[in-house]
Amino acid sequence: SQTIHQWPATLVQPVGSPLSLECTVEGTSNPNLYWYRQAAGRGLQLLFYSVGIGQISSEVPQNLSASRPQDRQFILSSKKLLLSDSGFYLCAWSSLAYADTQYFGPGTRLTVL
Amino acid sequence: QKEVEQNSGPLSVPEGAIASLNCTYSDRGSQSFFWYRQYSGKSPELIMSIYSNGDKEDGRFTAQLNKASQYVSLLIRDSQPSDSATYLCAVGGQFYFGTGTSLTVIP
Repeated sequence: SQTIHQWPATLVQPVGSPLSLECTVEGTSNPNLYWYRQAAGRGLQLLFYSVGIGQISSEVPQNLSASRPQDRQFILSSKKLLLSDSGFYLCAWSSLAYADTQYFGPGTRLTVL
Repeated sequence: QKEVEQNSGPLSVPEGAIASLNCTYSDRGSQSFFWYRQYSGKSPELIMSIYSNGDKEDGRFTAQLNKASQYVSLLIRDSQPSDSATYLCAVGGQFYFGTGTSLTVIP
């Protein structure tokens, strides 16, 4: 069966510090991968998605970036965090065969102080 | 701007009652629709997907889709306290999510 991991689970960072969040998927090949952010009391905002290694599409212009160095690894980064970057960051995957059905990882709760 | 709107809630129902959650979407070309459940502090988990007009049943859950009205709903029969969560409606393709409806089932 497929499993998706995210780490760290929680993170507290000062404004202006860098960020690196990691997501890995097990039990499948060539997954589509997604990064979402959920601000407190709000819906899910799609940040990035990837259909293959090195292929990243950005949905929202901001100070975040994403990379996919390996087939089942997706990384979310920032060089300098803003207060507005606080939120619940969720990684999701979908298969090529059922690209519309997304499954979420456990999430990383980021607080920027 | 593609949008997904859900009844804002919060919604409270007594244990054993039917909970009805509603969602409308703006993109008439949308073909796939999903309901997720999200417990407080946790990530969303998929409950049901629906692609065709009509009803789709899975246990105590029934999803209903009306593409002409651009409307999708989720009925939860025999509601249990463990159903208390936020329910997210999502439209496939570019995957737009509603902001969610908070449901509380009162014992």
